[in-house]
Amino acid sequence: DTAVSQTPKYLVTQMGNDKSIKCEQNLGHDTMYWYKQDSKKFLKIMFSYNNKELIINETVPNRFSPKSPDKAHLNLHINSLELGDSAVYFCASREDRETQYFGPGTRLLVL
Amino acid sequence: GESVGLHLPTLSVQEGDNSIINCAYSNSASDYFIWYKQESGKGPQFIIDIRSNMDKRQGQRVTVLLNKTVKHLSLQIAATQPGDSAVYFCAEGYGSSNTGKLIFGQGTTLQVKP
Repeated sequence: DTAVSQTPKYLVTQMGNDKSIKCEQNLGHDTMYWYKQDSKKFLKIMFSYNNKELIINETVPNRFSPKSPDKAHLNLHINSLELGDSAVYFCASREDRETQYFGPGTRLLVL
Repeated sequence: GESVGLHLPTLSVQEGDNSIINCAYSNSASDYFIWYKQESGKGPQFIIDIRSNMDKRQGQRVTVLLNKTVKHLSLQIAATQPGDSAVYFCAEGYGSSNTGKLIFGQGTTLQVKP
């Protein structure tokens, strides 16, 4: 069974569109994250949720809105997509302070 | 500002040799450090961590060394194998398990030559 899963794996869309990425973890963890990895492989935290509550918001444009319907799910909705949003988005789930499990990533390409 | 960086963007080693990947960090308040491995097309995978009150920790074929004096972290991989080829990230962390966050370095590509 996949511990952290994301859908879709690939997402190609036009500038100005709105899209969502979904994440689910079956590990029973309380804390989940969204990360963005750019074309140079730089990985940066975007959001963190603990038991459905927003904990970290790293000055991400408000076009990005995370939602956590329950502690096993953390979705990311992006409004008015821009070229610079093209990246790989990773969801992660935290077991303890030092250990995070990452999903396979969603490759977003904005044309 | 806070930053975690790597000295070399690419490291090429012969299969069977030992690999050493280095990382510099700047936030002296970080209280734990983690190495991740990212294979092509996959998400980062936890390798090993070390807390700031330690200077060495060993895992299976991997050793992490922490030198707080010079704010330097290294990952040593013994008897490097083709399956070790990946991008390696160091990350520094602080805060509790609920509120803490990781700051990732740039990444080093490890290429293993057969």
